[in-house]
Amino acid sequence: EVQLVQPGAEMRKPGESLKISCKGSGYNFRSYWIGWVRQMPGKGLEWMGIIYPGDSDTRYNPSFQGHVTISADKSINTAYLQWGSLRASDTAIYFCARHLGFGTGSTGRLETWGQGTLVTVSS
Amino acid sequence: EIVLTQSPGALSLSPGKRATLSCRASQTISINYLAWYQQKPGQAPRLLIYGASSWATGIPDRFSGSGSGTDFTLTISRLESEDYAVYYCQQYGTFPPTFGGGTKVEIK
Repeated sequence: EVQLVQPGAEMRKPGESLKISCKGSGYNFRSYWIGWVRQMPGKGLEWMGIIYPGDSDTRYNPSFQGHVTISADKSINTAYLQWGSLRASDTAIYFCARHLGFGTGSTGRLETWGQGTLVTVSS
Repeated sequence: EIVLTQSPGALSLSPGKRATLSCRASQTISINYLAWYQQKPGQAPRLLIYGASSWATGIPDRFSGSGSGTDFTLTISRLESEDYAVYYCQQYGTFPPTFGGGTKVEIK
């Protein structure tokens, strides 16, 4: 069974750094693109970016580029989303999702999702 | 980026009724790279439909997708209790991928 496992919650203060994880199992992790999606409290879904664990090729939504970093460690089947300096407005649930069908002209559909990590940034 | 507008924002229907959800794009979506997701409270979204009309694995056939170009529809032929949720459309043919604002299907 394909699974993506994320920690349930993290809490930080404004200005602090954070790295959250997404561990894949049940498939060849390095061969599928993994993306990140933000959901702010009571709001809709926003696509942040994507990484190919096989070679760490990464693409960012311009709206998020420069504020977050996406990385992956294929040796432990884990993708990461990190912030160098958190803001209160980063408070949200962050989902990772396996993309299928990535190719020329398409980033692919989000076929399997992690359960999400609630990130709370508050002083 | 492509803006997706979903309507209505909320839909109140009784079990057994038909639900029709709309998703309109600000530009033509290439090769019908349009997906629909269902999200229940406290859960991750679940892929229902991709390629505008193809079922994801394990999705019952009471869900169907249609449309092309800029206008797409998700139809739930007969609502069951587990179908009350928020539904999002998403385009993945133009970078960056974007989601619609969602339609909440509520029990009447």
